[in-house]
Amino acid sequence: DAGITQSPRYKITETGRQVTLMCHQTWSHSYMFWYRQDLGHGLRLIYYSAAADITDKGEVPDGYVVSRSKTENFPLTLESATRSQTSVYFCASSAGARADTQYFGPGTRLTVL
Amino acid sequence: GENVEQHPSTLSVQEGDSAVIKCTYSDSASNYFPWYKQELGKRPQLIIDIRSNVGEKKDQRIAVTLNKTAKHFSLHITETQPEDSAVYFCAAPFAGNMLTFGGGTRLMVKP
Repeated sequence: DAGITQSPRYKITETGRQVTLMCHQTWSHSYMFWYRQDLGHGLRLIYYSAAADITDKGEVPDGYVVSRSKTENFPLTLESATRSQTSVYFCASSAGARADTQYFGPGTRLTVL
Repeated sequence: GENVEQHPSTLSVQEGDSAVIKCTYSDSASNYFPWYKQELGKRPQLIIDIRSNVGEKKDQRIAVTLNKTAKHFSLHITETQPEDSAVYFCAAPFAGNMLTFGGGTRLMVKP
């Protein structure tokens, strides 16, 4: 689990500000994912990436932007934060081309005031 | 896409009793079913998974059973202990390598 890290772990920001959450993995996993976790909604997929320079939308992509210029990094940007984006954000990675174990980072707790 | 429903949403058991959590899925092509445990304030961690070529898998006190015909799979925890208290999530795949998660079950084991 130490192979996937997220920063910052806690962030407080204001409505309308741009925020970037970082995710870094050392396993050279092909797949990386961003989820948000809210009470009553479980884990919902925001964006995923199958490899460097390949990204695609998940279930709840609106208001978020991702990039993946290097295999090990998968930053998530909130271009103009809204209160509804207050959540816990988890990054995850997976090695295989088929459905396989996803390893989660420690999470970032984001509060938008 | 895949639709995963998980029941119950909360489960309270006495220490030493068994706990069962059930999930149903919609995509008959799904072939991989993991279970994650999330302790308070921590990340989800895989505890057991099963692929569609087997009907049951055990790992010490936990087991997962799969019924492909009925499209449901279940997590069984025997001889529950206080450290089993956590939120448990099931998941099923869609679009190759994506997972759809169930809504979670909060398990409370009372000493």
